[in-house]
Amino acid sequence: KQEVTQIPAALSVPEGENLVLNCSFTDSAIYNLQWFRQDPGKGLTSLLLIQSSQREQTSGRLNASLDKSSGRSTLYIAASQPGDSATYLCAGPNSGGGADGLTFGKGTHLIIQP
Amino acid sequence: SAVISQKPSRDICQRGTSLTIQCQVDSQVTMMFWYRQQPGQSLTLIATANQGSEATYESGFVIDKFPISRPNLTFSTLTVSNMSPEDSSIYLCSVLGATSSYEQYFGPGTRLTVT
Repeated sequence: KQEVTQIPAALSVPEGENLVLNCSFTDSAIYNLQWFRQDPGKGLTSLLLIQSSQREQTSGRLNASLDKSSGRSTLYIAASQPGDSATYLCAGPNSGGGADGLTFGKGTHLIIQP
Repeated sequence: SAVISQKPSRDICQRGTSLTIQCQVDSQVTMMFWYRQQPGQSLTLIATANQGSEATYESGFVIDKFPISRPNLTFSTLTVSNMSPEDSSIYLCSVLGATSSYEQYFGPGTRLTVT
Protein backbone atom coordinates (compact mmCIF):
# COMPACT_ATOMS: atom_id res chain seq x y z
CA LYS A 1 0.00 0.00 0.00
CA GLN A 2 1.17 3.47 -0.88
CA GLU A 3 2.73 5.68 1.80
CA VAL A 4 3.13 9.42 1.24
CA THR A 5 5.37 11.82 3.13
CA GLN A 6 5.56 15.60 2.84
CA ILE A 7 8.38 17.91 3.84
CA PRO A 8 8.41 20.47 5.35
CA ALA A 9 5.39 20.25 7.64
CA ALA A 10 5.24 24.04 7.80
CA LEU A 11 6.83 26.89 5.87
CA SER A 12 6.69 30.65 6.28
CA VAL A 13 8.23 32.92 3.62
CA PRO A 14 7.99 36.57 2.60
CA GLU A 15 5.77 37.51 -0.28
CA GLY A 16 7.42 37.30 -3.71
CA GLU A 17 9.70 34.37 -2.99
CA ASN A 18 9.78 31.21 -5.06
CA LEU A 19 9.35 28.04 -3.04
CA VAL A 20 9.35 24.27 -3.34
CA LEU A 21 7.19 21.78 -1.49
CA ASN A 22 8.31 18.17 -1.38
CA CYS A 23 6.39 14.92 -1.52
CA SER A 24 7.76 11.37 -1.45
CA PHE A 25 5.97 8.09 -2.04
CA THR A 26 6.86 4.44 -1.58
CA ASP A 27 5.25 2.69 -4.56
CA SER A 28 7.14 3.60 -7.72
CA ALA A 29 4.38 2.01 -9.80
CA ILE A 30 2.24 5.01 -8.90
CA TYR A 31 -0.43 5.65 -11.55
CA ASN A 32 -0.63 9.39 -10.94
CA LEU A 33 0.01 11.97 -8.27
CA GLN A 34 -2.28 14.81 -7.35
CA TRP A 35 -1.59 18.06 -5.53
CA PHE A 36 -4.37 19.74 -3.58
CA ARG A 37 -4.85 22.94 -1.66
CA GLN A 38 -6.94 23.13 1.49
CA ASP A 39 -7.96 26.39 3.10
CA PRO A 40 -8.89 26.36 6.82
CA GLY A 41 -12.22 24.65 7.43
CA LYS A 42 -12.74 24.02 3.73
CA GLY A 43 -12.67 21.13 1.31
CA LEU A 44 -9.90 20.30 -1.13
CA THR A 45 -9.16 22.09 -4.37
CA SER A 46 -7.31 20.09 -6.99
CA LEU A 47 -4.27 22.02 -8.23
CA LEU A 48 -2.40 19.66 -10.51
CA LEU A 49 -2.47 16.02 -11.50
CA ILE A 50 0.60 14.35 -12.99
CA GLN A 51 0.23 11.10 -14.84
CA SER A 52 2.91 8.45 -14.44
CA SER A 53 3.96 9.02 -18.05
CA GLN A 54 4.55 12.73 -17.43
CA ARG A 55 7.41 14.49 -15.71
CA GLU A 56 5.85 17.91 -15.22
CA GLN A 57 2.56 19.76 -15.16
CA THR A 58 2.12 23.53 -15.05
CA SER A 59 -0.79 25.75 -14.12
CA GLY A 60 -0.12 29.45 -13.85
CA ARG A 61 2.50 30.03 -11.15
CA LEU A 62 2.44 26.38 -10.13
CA ASN A 63 4.65 23.65 -11.51
CA ALA A 64 4.60 20.06 -10.31
CA SER A 65 7.18 17.42 -11.17
CA LEU A 66 7.15 13.67 -10.80
CA ASP A 67 10.17 11.35 -10.58
CA LYS A 68 8.93 7.79 -10.23
CA SER A 69 12.39 6.26 -9.97
CA SER A 70 13.24 8.27 -6.88
CA GLY A 71 9.69 8.27 -5.51
CA ARG A 72 9.49 12.06 -5.37
CA SER A 73 7.29 14.90 -6.49
CA THR A 74 7.76 18.62 -6.01
CA LEU A 75 5.36 21.53 -6.20
CA TYR A 76 7.04 24.77 -7.23
CA ILE A 77 5.26 28.03 -6.50
CA ALA A 78 6.63 31.08 -8.26
CA ALA A 79 6.35 34.64 -6.99
CA SER A 80 4.37 33.67 -3.91
CA GLN A 81 1.44 35.81 -2.77
CA PRO A 82 -0.41 36.06 0.57
CA GLY A 83 -3.38 34.37 -1.12
CA ASP A 84 -1.23 31.27 -1.54
CA SER A 85 -1.35 30.72 2.22
CA ALA A 86 -3.00 27.34 2.77
CA THR A 87 -2.20 23.70 3.46
CA TYR A 88 -0.88 21.84 0.44
CA LEU A 89 -1.48 18.10 0.21
CA CYS A 90 -0.11 15.53 -2.19
CA ALA A 91 -1.80 12.19 -2.74
CA GLY A 92 -1.45 9.04 -4.80
CA PRO A 93 -3.73 6.04 -5.41
CA ASN A 94 -3.68 3.46 -2.63
CA SER A 95 -2.68 0.68 -4.97
CA GLY A 96 -1.18 0.59 -8.42
CA GLY A 97 -4.26 1.50 -10.41
CA GLY A 98 -5.68 4.95 -10.97
CA ALA A 99 -9.26 4.05 -10.09
CA ASP A 100 -8.60 3.84 -6.39
CA GLY A 101 -8.93 5.87 -3.24
CA LEU A 102 -6.07 8.16 -2.38
CA THR A 103 -3.37 8.05 0.26
CA PHE A 104 -2.51 11.53 1.46
CA GLY A 105 0.58 13.06 2.96
CA LYS A 106 0.17 15.07 6.13
CA GLY A 107 0.52 18.29 4.21
CA THR A 108 2.67 21.41 4.23
CA HIS A 109 1.15 24.39 6.04
CA LEU A 110 2.29 27.41 4.03
CA ILE A 111 2.19 31.01 5.23
CA ILE A 112 3.13 33.83 2.88
CA GLN A 113 3.98 36.95 4.83
CA PRO A 114 2.79 40.24 3.25
CA SER B 1 -14.47 18.57 -13.45
CA ALA B 2 -17.45 17.67 -11.25
CA VAL B 3 -19.42 19.87 -8.89
CA ILE B 4 -20.05 18.15 -5.58
CA SER B 5 -22.29 19.26 -2.75
CA GLN B 6 -22.61 17.84 0.74
CA LYS B 7 -25.32 18.15 3.36
CA PRO B 8 -25.17 19.14 6.12
CA SER B 9 -22.17 21.45 5.97
CA ARG B 10 -21.75 21.11 9.71
CA ASP B 11 -23.55 19.62 12.68
CA ILE B 12 -23.22 19.23 16.41
CA CYS B 13 -24.50 15.90 17.69
CA GLN B 14 -24.79 14.14 21.01
CA ARG B 15 -22.89 10.96 21.69
CA GLY B 16 -24.79 7.79 20.96
CA THR B 17 -26.77 9.28 18.09
CA SER B 18 -26.28 8.83 14.34
CA LEU B 19 -25.85 11.32 11.51
CA THR B 20 -26.33 10.73 7.79
CA ILE B 21 -24.25 12.83 5.41
CA GLN B 22 -25.37 13.28 1.83
CA CYS B 23 -23.14 13.72 -1.21
CA GLN B 24 -24.62 14.90 -4.52
CA VAL B 25 -22.72 15.17 -7.82
CA ASP B 26 -23.81 17.16 -10.87
CA SER B 27 -22.92 14.36 -13.29
CA GLN B 28 -22.96 10.58 -13.33
CA VAL B 29 -19.84 9.03 -11.86
CA THR B 30 -18.87 5.43 -11.36
CA MET B 31 -16.73 5.68 -8.27
CA MET B 32 -17.28 7.72 -5.14
CA PHE B 33 -15.14 7.77 -2.04
CA TRP B 34 -15.60 8.83 1.56
CA TYR B 35 -12.77 10.26 3.65
CA ARG B 36 -12.33 11.40 7.22
CA GLN B 37 -10.11 14.24 8.37
CA GLN B 38 -9.63 14.28 12.11
CA PRO B 39 -8.61 17.58 13.76
CA GLY B 40 -5.13 18.62 12.71
CA GLN B 41 -4.68 15.49 10.60
CA SER B 42 -4.64 14.64 6.93
CA LEU B 43 -7.33 12.72 5.08
CA THR B 44 -7.92 9.00 5.56
CA LEU B 45 -9.97 6.90 3.17
CA ILE B 46 -13.00 5.31 4.81
CA ALA B 47 -14.53 3.40 1.91
CA THR B 48 -15.16 3.21 -1.81
CA ALA B 49 -18.79 3.34 -2.91
CA ASN B 50 -19.72 1.92 -6.30
CA GLN B 51 -23.26 1.97 -7.59
CA GLY B 52 -24.90 -1.43 -7.49
CA SER B 53 -22.45 -3.09 -5.13
CA GLU B 54 -21.53 -3.10 -1.47
CA ALA B 55 -19.09 -0.46 -0.33
CA THR B 56 -15.50 -1.54 0.17
CA TYR B 57 -14.09 -0.47 3.54
CA GLU B 58 -10.49 0.29 4.44
CA SER B 59 -8.75 -1.31 7.36
CA GLY B 60 -10.03 0.15 10.61
CA PHE B 61 -13.47 1.08 9.27
CA VAL B 62 -16.50 -1.20 9.46
CA ILE B 63 -19.93 -1.18 7.90
CA ASP B 64 -21.78 -1.23 11.23
CA LYS B 65 -20.13 2.04 12.23
CA PHE B 66 -20.11 3.73 8.80
CA PRO B 67 -22.91 2.32 6.64
CA ILE B 68 -22.86 3.70 3.10
CA SER B 69 -25.54 3.80 0.44
CA ARG B 70 -25.06 4.40 -3.26
CA PRO B 71 -28.52 4.25 -4.85
CA ASN B 72 -27.55 5.84 -8.18
CA LEU B 73 -24.67 7.35 -10.13
CA THR B 74 -25.03 10.86 -8.68
CA PHE B 75 -25.72 10.32 -5.00
CA SER B 76 -24.30 8.63 -1.91
CA THR B 77 -24.77 8.77 1.84
CA LEU B 78 -22.45 8.03 4.74
CA THR B 79 -23.91 7.41 8.18
CA VAL B 80 -21.81 7.83 11.29
CA SER B 81 -23.47 5.56 13.84
CA ASN B 82 -23.47 5.51 17.62
CA MET B 83 -21.23 8.56 17.68
CA SER B 84 -18.56 9.32 20.25
CA PRO B 85 -16.39 12.45 20.61
CA GLU B 86 -13.64 10.59 18.71
CA ASP B 87 -15.86 10.78 15.61
CA SER B 88 -15.54 14.56 15.56
CA SER B 89 -13.99 15.17 12.15
CA ILE B 90 -14.54 16.61 8.74
CA TYR B 91 -16.09 14.02 6.43
CA LEU B 92 -15.51 14.48 2.70
CA CYS B 93 -16.79 12.70 -0.35
CA SER B 94 -14.93 12.62 -3.62
CA VAL B 95 -15.54 11.36 -7.11
CA LEU B 96 -13.31 10.03 -9.81
CA GLY B 97 -13.14 12.14 -12.94
CA ALA B 98 -12.59 11.04 -16.49
CA THR B 99 -11.16 7.56 -16.80
CA SER B 100 -8.37 8.97 -18.92
CA SER B 101 -6.94 10.93 -16.00
CA TYR B 102 -8.51 9.51 -12.82
CA GLU B 103 -8.39 12.94 -11.26
CA GLN B 104 -10.34 13.14 -8.01
CA TYR B 105 -12.63 15.99 -7.05
CA PHE B 106 -13.77 16.70 -3.54
CA GLY B 107 -16.89 18.05 -1.94
CA PRO B 108 -16.75 20.90 0.59
CA GLY B 109 -16.92 18.53 3.55
CA THR B 110 -19.18 18.08 6.56
CA ARG B 111 -17.78 19.27 9.87
CA LEU B 112 -19.09 17.03 12.64
CA THR B 113 -18.71 17.78 16.33
CA VAL B 114 -19.83 15.17 18.84
CA THR B 115 -20.45 16.31 22.41
